[in-house]
Amino acid sequence: GAVVSQHPSWVICKSGTSVKIECRSLDFQATTMFWYRQFPKQSLMLMATSNEGSKATYEQGVEKDKFLINHASLTLSTLTVTSAHPEDSSFYICSARDRGWGEQFFGPGTRLTVL
Amino acid sequence: GENVEQHPSTLSVQEGDSAVIKCTYSDSASNYFPWYKQELGKGPQLIIDIRSNVGEKKDQRIAVTLNKTAKHFSLHITETQPEDSAVYFCAASGQEYGNKLVFGAGTILRVKS
Repeated sequence: GAVVSQHPSWVICKSGTSVKIECRSLDFQATTMFWYRQFPKQSLMLMATSNEGSKATYEQGVEKDKFLINHASLTLSTLTVTSAHPEDSSFYICSARDRGWGEQFFGPGTRLTVL
Repeated sequence: GENVEQHPSTLSVQEGDSAVIKCTYSDSASNYFPWYKQELGKGPQLIIDIRSNVGEKKDQRIAVTLNKTAKHFSLHITETQPEDSAVYFCAASGQEYGNKLVFGAGTILRVKS
């Protein structure tokens, strides 16, 4: 089956620093990747849609200057949380869409804790 | 935009019993309905999906039914096992919204042995 990896799986950082999270599709090419945020005991909230070679499309209320997304290749997208603050602490999950059928396959998630 | 409601929020069943989770969607243009299982601290895992040209789909102990007229779809798990315990999310998507998934709120399933 389609495999999506994320790195790191967890990260702790100090307030004001930036953190980069990588999302890779390991065995298929993904023209579109998605970034989600999930708070404890809540559903997934779409943050942005990332298309290879073009600018990401952000959902309403998501600051594009704070959450920088780069989709440089068909197998890699990165999310950078800039000037992180404690309220940015969350579980960040990426997904990649298989070009053929349109299913989304999710990564294992990255737990971000900002002190 | 699309809105997906999911019920129940929690469900406890005895091992071996069946579990049913229901979702309704608002946009008749939605045409893809996946179900995801999420274990604690992990990403969601696609367990079954159905497209709008099909009314039912089955994969071993898991089945999904879709009623386009009523705009609802359901997940059925038979012969539940303790390892089925997790949070289950339904979702809907359609071309009108760039095939973005809109998720339900989730159902915590507990299978008691």
